[in-house]
Amino acid sequence: AQSVAQPEDQVNVAEGNPLTVKCTYSVSGNPYLFWYVQYPNRGLQFLLKYITGDNLVKGSYGFEAEFNKSQTSFHLKKPSALVSDSALYFCAVSPRSSASKIIFGSGTRLSIRP
Amino acid sequence: NAGVTQTPKFQVLKTGQSMTLQCAQDMNHEYMSWYRQDPGMGLRLIHYSVGAGITDQGEVPNGYNVSRSTTEDFPLRLLSAAPSQTSVYFCASSYQGKLFFGSGTQLSVL
Repeated sequence: AQSVAQPEDQVNVAEGNPLTVKCTYSVSGNPYLFWYVQYPNRGLQFLLKYITGDNLVKGSYGFEAEFNKSQTSFHLKKPSALVSDSALYFCAVSPRSSASKIIFGSGTRLSIRP
Repeated sequence: NAGVTQTPKFQVLKTGQSMTLQCAQDMNHEYMSWYRQDPGMGLRLIHYSVGAGITDQGEVPNGYNVSRSTTEDFPLRLLSAAPSQTSVYFCASSYQGKLFFGSGTQLSVL
């Protein structure tokens, strides 16, 4: 069975500092991996995905994520946080054998202080 | 550019009542899915569909039914509502792995 773990309920970062939101996964075979963001009153939005190839994936709003197969991790990163990055972030995974079955983690609330 | 449209936006039910949450997409996507969002539990997959006439169970399917008679529509039916089904429900379609979400339905079961 596939699963996703986001070990931190909340991450607090000062504006301008780098940020990392952690994600680990469990799925048979090589996975598809995703990050989504939920802003208040703006619904859920796609940030980035890993399909194959380069382990560093670049996405929207300056975010990137690093795929680490040996550690089964897909951490979300940004070199310099903005107050406007404050939102709820979800990591998600699907197996290649059933790509439409996308399972989400419990979410991490990112709070950027000015 | 409607995308994924969910109705209603808000609904209050009494325990035991039934209802259907509507979902329609105009992007001709084969894949559609239903999620529920609860505090601290993230998004949990209820049912999904890989095309018209094909549906499958997700993580939390009990108490919900789906059907997919057309590519555009993927309704979610609550057969006998329970307070545990109080949640925010999101419908999504997907293309090349990218999910496109509707704006959600906030459901309260009293």
